[in-house]
Amino acid sequence: EAGVVQSPRYKIIEKKQPVAFWCNPISGHNTLYWYLQNLGQGPELLIRYENEEAVDDSQLPKDRFSAERLKGVDSTLKIQPAELGDSAVYLCASSLGLAGIHEQFFGPGTRLTVL
Amino acid sequence: QQQVKQSPQSLIVQKGGISIINCAYENTAFDYFPWYQQFPGKGPALLIAIRPDVSEKKEGRFTISFNKSAKQFSLHIMDSQPGDSATYFCAAGSNFGNEKLTFGTGTRLTIIP
Repeated sequence: EAGVVQSPRYKIIEKKQPVAFWCNPISGHNTLYWYLQNLGQGPELLIRYENEEAVDDSQLPKDRFSAERLKGVDSTLKIQPAELGDSAVYLCASSLGLAGIHEQFFGPGTRLTVL
Repeated sequence: QQQVKQSPQSLIVQKGGISIINCAYENTAFDYFPWYQQFPGKGPALLIAIRPDVSEKKEGRFTISFNKSAKQFSLHIMDSQPGDSATYFCAAGSNFGNEKLTFGTGTRLTIIP
């Protein structure tokens, strides 16, 4: 079974440029998460989707960040415009999302460098 | 109240020794406590997890000890091996982890021969 797929793996952009990250969750996983991981820190949730609905976006900086999961499968996270402080690893995770305990499976992440 | 505090920040253990990492939380609504292992360039991977209705869970060389009254939990790695060298994150979640996970700051573990 394929894991969570993310692309690109690395991205280097200049500040004020836009950037987008793509995530394809594990097949059948209804819940999709985007986390931000700064260097030397644990992941922090940006947004959580149940199917195509964003059910928790309280930590998403909505002035510059946006996300979508149009068909309830893959998802895109966008930053426009990027700032120096956005340099980090952006992790996507997915889980079954049904009642009960379900593991969150993480992708390898996209490492963003803003110059 | 959402914070999860993790210590130590880094840990060096001799091969064959016991590695111990500790975490503490504040939010009593948490009902799921996983430990994740992360290698450089990879995403975190679930190692072992526990619910607050048990005080200990063991899987192979990995054991979680959970103290509900103290709101603390710890990871013990027995017979530590060089391949265990990685960064370990504790986390806590509600609704059995189906909502967001709140992560600790991580412990960089190095196992020396």
